[in-house]
Amino acid sequence: DVKVTQSSRYLVKRTGEKVFLECVQDMDHENMFWYRQDPGLGLRLIYFSYDVKMKEKGDIPEGYSVSREKKERFSLILESASTNQTSMYLCASTRRRVETQYFGPGTRLLVL
Amino acid sequence: KQEVTQIPAALSVPEGENLVLNCSFTDSAIYNLQWFRQDPGKGLTSLLLIQSSQREQTSGRLNASLDKSSGRSTLYIAASQPGDSATYLCAVPLMDSSYKLIFGSGTRLLVRP
Repeated sequence: DVKVTQSSRYLVKRTGEKVFLECVQDMDHENMFWYRQDPGLGLRLIYFSYDVKMKEKGDIPEGYSVSREKKERFSLILESASTNQTSMYLCASTRRRVETQYFGPGTRLLVL
Repeated sequence: KQEVTQIPAALSVPEGENLVLNCSFTDSAIYNLQWFRQDPGKGLTSLLLIQSSQREQTSGRLNASLDKSSGRSTLYIAASQPGDSATYLCAVPLMDSSYKLIFGSGTRLLVRP
């Protein structure tokens, strides 16, 4: 059974803190994604990675960075958290474009 | 530019009813179309993936159809149950190297006991 896990379900951070969100998949997928989901705005792609140490910007990369040192792990980093980064963060992975994207359970981040 | 639209935004039906959710997309050049379910506060669960060469895909009480030429897909849910209550999203991948999914805004379904 396929599985994508995220390090936290809920996080509360202060403005200016550095925040790490981790995503791990056990399916040996090459492609991994970070989305954020906000009411009225839907899902928006932040970054994606198609191989180890490779990364590409999505639609809204500002204020975020990513790291993919191992195939199974894709980390999203908020260098200096701001209140407008309060959101639901969703990680996904897929082997190929013609296959299903599998999503993790999400991390709800609140920045105070 | 690919855009995905889902109508209606919300739907409330009595238990046992058969229902259809709609998804439309502007660019008919797609690899596939994916239907997801999202429960409140949770991640997305993949329901069905229908390839561009397919007309239908079935899983249990769910049936997804695809009409590329008209830019439409439907998700048919037979004999709805309260446990089907969730938001249903459709998505298509961009036809470039990004593998990025373009999502509709979803249909929020409530099945009343």
